[in-house]
Amino acid sequence: KQEVTQIPAALSVPEGENLVLNCSFTDSAIYNLQWFRQDPGKGLTSLLLIQSSQREQTSGRLNASLDKSSGRSTLYIAASQPGDSATYLCAVRPEGSGTYKYIFGTGTRLKVLA
Amino acid sequence: GAVVSQHPSRVICKSGTSVKIECRSLDFQATTMFWYRQFPKQSLMLMATSNEGSKATYEQGVEKDKFLINHASLTLSTLTVTSAHPEDSSFYICSARAYEGEDEETQYFGPGTRLLVL
Repeated sequence: KQEVTQIPAALSVPEGENLVLNCSFTDSAIYNLQWFRQDPGKGLTSLLLIQSSQREQTSGRLNASLDKSSGRSTLYIAASQPGDSATYLCAVRPEGSGTYKYIFGTGTRLKVLA
Repeated sequence: GAVVSQHPSRVICKSGTSVKIECRSLDFQATTMFWYRQFPKQSLMLMATSNEGSKATYEQGVEKDKFLINHASLTLSTLTVTSAHPEDSSFYICSARAYEGEDEETQYFGPGTRLLVL
């Protein structure tokens, strides 16, 4: 059974710091991995999607890496801003014909202080 | 980008009543939609996969007779919580998988519906 874990569970940093959020998954048979952002009481916003054949993806100040064989992904946030405060979720889509569902991690609650 | 809406955004109901939540893909067709539940400070847990024109597939431990799913068209799936109880209070989020094209691997998430059962 696939399990997705995120470390740390919560993080509070001063503005301007570079951050690394970690995600690990127990079964390396994944189709892709996504990082999402969730603001309190809101739905999800997709940040980055990494296919299983890819090593990393970048969007602005965000960079996500994937090491499929070791079951790890990291989300790097450069020069953090108060507006980055949110919960960050990683999710994996298992391999398998017709399997489109995602299994979500436990999330990292980030607070960036001004 | 593609948009998924949910209605209502928030609902309060009495214990024992049924509540229907709608999930709509506004500018694309979705043969597959997913329903998730999220308890406070916890992650999303998949409840069921909704397939247009066929029965939903429920995850282990989810009561299909309690959480009725209907995916009657390519743009609408509904989740009905029957005989709701306080323990059903949660944040329900749907997602929709785009029908075809370059967005096939992308799922678009709705804004969520907060259910409070008194």
